Amino acid sequence: EIVLTQSPGTLSLSPGERATLSCRASQTLSRDSLAWYQLKPGQAPRLLIYGSSSRATGIPDRFSGSGSGTDFTLTISRLEPEDFAVYYCQQYATSPTFGQGTEVDVK
Amino acid sequence: EVQLLESGGGLIQPGGSLRLSCAASGFTFSNFDMNWVRQAPGKGLEWVSAIDTSGTYIYYSDSVKGRFTISRDDSKSTLYLQMNSLRAEDTAVYFCAKEVGTPRSWDPFDIWGQGTTVIVSS
Repeated sequence: EIVLTQSPGTLSLSPGERATLSCRASQTLSRDSLAWYQLKPGQAPRLLIYGSSSRATGIPDRFSGSGSGTDFTLTISRLEPEDFAVYYCQQYATSPTFGQGTEVDVK
Repeated sequence: EVQLLESGGGLIQPGGSLRLSCAASGFTFSNFDMNWVRQAPGKGLEWVSAIDTSGTYIYYSDSVKGRFTISRDDSKSTLYLQMNSLRAEDTAVYFCAKEVGTPRSWDPFDIWGQGTTVIVSS
C-alpha cells in the first residue's frame, strides 16, 4: 500500500494569503498519479487537481498543483473565504489511498 | 445535472447488515468505474471498494474484504454496497464516487455524492 503523508496538519491563514500544502508518497507514483480534493462539512468532496498539476473542470486558476515522484504540492495563490476547508491528496497509481488531510482555517 | 445520491445509511447493531445504494443521474452510468469511500468521525477519507464497468474487476480494502460486497445495476444506474458483519469501526459517512473514465487501471474521482451515514452501535 502506498502511504501518503500530508503536511502541515493545520494551516492558519488569512484571506488573500498564499497556502502551500504538501503531500509525500512512500514510493514513486507512476505517471504522476496524484490528485487533490477539497472537503467541506456536509458537502460532497470536490476534485481540484489530477495528474499532479491538471486543474479539474471549473476549478479556479488560483489552485495549482506541482510535483512528481514522491513529493507533491497544492498551492492556493490567494485564499478566498470559500477556500477554508480540509484538503486531501490521493494517489491512484495503485488501489487508491488518501493522505490524512490538511485543514486550512482562518487565522 | 451530473449527480450521485446515496441512501440506506442508519443505526445498526454490531454484527448486523446494511445495504447502501447510490443513484446516478446526468451521465451514462454504465460507462464508468465506480467506488465507495468512507470517512469515520474525526478521521480522513478511506477508500473502500471499486467496481469496473463490466462488474468483472472488483477490489476491496483489507479492512472490509470478506464482509462487504460491491455491485451495480446499470439498468437502474445504481451502485450498491452490501455490508455484513458490521463493526463499530465501520461507523462513517459513506460516499460513492465516479471515476474520470480513462483506459488506465485507476482514475481520480470527479463526481461524488454527499454521503450517507452509517452508525454501528449497540
